[in-house]
Amino acid sequence: GEDVEQSLFLSVREGDSSVINCTYTDSSSTYLYWYKQEPGAGLQLLTYIFSNMDMKQDQRLTVLLNKKDKHLSLRIADTQTGDSAIYFCAETSGGGADGLTFGKGTHLIIQP
Amino acid sequence: GAGVSQSPSNKVTEKGKDVELRCDPISGHTALYWYRQRLGQGLEFLIYFQGNSAPDKSGLPSDRFSAERTGESVSTLTIQRTQQEDSAVYLCASSGRTGVRRGYTFGSGTRLTVV
Repeated sequence: GEDVEQSLFLSVREGDSSVINCTYTDSSSTYLYWYKQEPGAGLQLLTYIFSNMDMKQDQRLTVLLNKKDKHLSLRIADTQTGDSAIYFCAETSGGGADGLTFGKGTHLIIQP
Repeated sequence: GAGVSQSPSNKVTEKGKDVELRCDPISGHTALYWYRQRLGQGLEFLIYFQGNSAPDKSGLPSDRFSAERTGESVSTLTIQRTQQEDSAVYLCASSGRTGVRRGYTFGSGTRLTVV
């Protein structure tokens, strides 16, 4: 079945850039997502990218997609303490009954 | 409503008891998903409802798990004879017709602890 892999932890200093990486196996993935989960909260959609794109930028967030290598990354510029959360990569090949396949999440730890 | 609402937010139950978890999706959202999130794990798909179609139950881990949804309204996830391995956060998500592109809207989840 489909698989989505992420590193479990990333530690960065406040003000630096954070880069969270994700690899996936489903070659038919059409949409890829980044979700943020703060403690005790549900998942908040940060951004998504369609598989025919290789980059998407939204304020401090930059998503890069290498479809050949099935590699997705999320860059957060000027990381702040409020960015501390778990970040989930997810993919779908079309929604509906397929749903979303999630990675296990990357804990982003911000050092002062 | 403005968002996906789940209740209760926390539930502690004794092993062997039945529990009912509720999800109130965004009004007008036709699709509704239940996911399970175990400690330190990603999200595990449980069940999917789309309008009045038969649900996709392929993710339910055992016959102790069942879910219902009437039309495009509230859904209830029932776990019978709970076991300790059922302890997890149960998340509900809903989406409208553009859900695939815009992702799904998640509730805050129900944290279930079986003691």
